[in-house]
Amino acid sequence: GDSVTQMEGPVTLSEEAFLTINCTYTATGYPSLFWYVQYPGEGLQLLLKATKADDKGSNKGFEATYRKETTSFHLEKGSVQVSDSAVYFCALHKAAGNKLTFGGGTRVLVKP
Amino acid sequence: DAGVIQSPRHEVTEMGQEVTLRCKPISGHDYLFWYRQTMMRGLELLIYFNNNVPIDDSGMPEDRFSAKMPNASFSTLKIQPSEPRDSAVYFCASSLPGPTGELFFGEGSRLTVL
Repeated sequence: GDSVTQMEGPVTLSEEAFLTINCTYTATGYPSLFWYVQYPGEGLQLLLKATKADDKGSNKGFEATYRKETTSFHLEKGSVQVSDSAVYFCALHKAAGNKLTFGGGTRVLVKP
Repeated sequence: DAGVIQSPRHEVTEMGQEVTLRCKPISGHDYLFWYRQTMMRGLELLIYFNNNVPIDDSGMPEDRFSAKMPNASFSTLKIQPSEPRDSAVYFCASSLPGPTGELFFGEGSRLTVL
């Protein structure tokens, strides 16, 4: 079945550091890929998405590129802030069935 | 615009008691999802509805769990009887018509079963 694997956290960084969170997936067909973010005490919210190979999703300084050849969708941000401290979830979606398959989440802690 | 509204935000109950969690999706959204989040198992999809009809309930852990969506603006997730292993944060999410994968989540209901 479909699955998403992301690096385990926690990832601890200093403010203005570069952030990378690895995400790889296993799926048949052509899924769309997503990053969701969960801030403390809140529900998940969509951060960015890419619907086909080589697409780049971007939002709030975060970027991720859909790499079909490596089945990856790594999340990057060039300069993190304390406010980026959250749990980040990679997910895949296929229109048939309309279900999101989530990775296990990666907790990121940014220290001032 | 109001987002997805869940209640209660926190529930503490004793084993064996009935628990009912409630969700009001965003108006105009025709998909509604119930997820459970725990440290051990992460995010699990329990059930989802389309136009108030249950489409996939394969994630519902056992017969103690049931979910209903009597109309487009209200859904419930019921656990009867509750057990300590049901302790988790339960999220409701809704999405626009069409299978987009773009879900809008509520703030969750944190359930503790003693």
